[in-house]
Amino acid sequence: ILNVEQSPQSLHVQEGDSTNFTCSFPSSNFYALHWYRWETAKSPEALFVMTLNGDEKKKGRISATLNTKEGYSYLYIKGSQPEDSATYLCAFFVDSSYKLIFGSGTRLLVRP
Amino acid sequence: GAGVSQSPSNKVTEKGKDVELRCDPISGHTALYWYRQSLGQGLEFLIYFQGNSAPDKSGLPSDRFSAERTGGSVSTLTIQRTQQEDSAVYLCASSLDGGGGAEQYFGPGTRLTVT
Repeated sequence: ILNVEQSPQSLHVQEGDSTNFTCSFPSSNFYALHWYRWETAKSPEALFVMTLNGDEKKKGRISATLNTKEGYSYLYIKGSQPEDSATYLCAFFVDSSYKLIFGSGTRLLVRP
Repeated sequence: GAGVSQSPSNKVTEKGKDVELRCDPISGHTALYWYRQSLGQGLEFLIYFQGNSAPDKSGLPSDRFSAERTGGSVSTLTIQRTQQEDSAVYLCASSLDGGGGAEQYFGPGTRLTVT
């Protein structure tokens, strides 16, 4: 059974703090890893799709790294803002069945 | 441009009734996905369409669930003889193609409550 683990489950930080979360996934048969942000009452929104070992992607204050050999990805948020409050999901793409296996997410709350 | 739309946004139904959920993907997106999120659970993959074909239906939870896609566009997810454990938010997503490198665009979801 393919398992995608995310930690921590939830995180409370102060505005201005930098933070990071972890996504662990199977290191064999890697094809792609996705990160999504899911704000309350909205739809999940894609942040990054990562396909290569050593990939580093950045979008504004948010960045992500990928290590396919050891099966983990980190998501970093620099200088957190209240609008960053959301659940951050990572998902492992299974090439053989075209399905995304999602982790349970990290719920981030940024206090003003 | 228009995003992925789903209808209805909310559906309350009695146990044993059939329900149909609809998804309109982004125009030109060949791949379409259905997921659900049950209370306290993560997003669970249900089914994937490339064009009108669903290569793998093994993610559907039971034979009460079926899905179709017509004209390479609109998709419907049908749940027959609904049970209380079917209560969940059902999300649809589409992407340009079915490859793992394509980000998925999600709709707002349908919240299904089975009483």
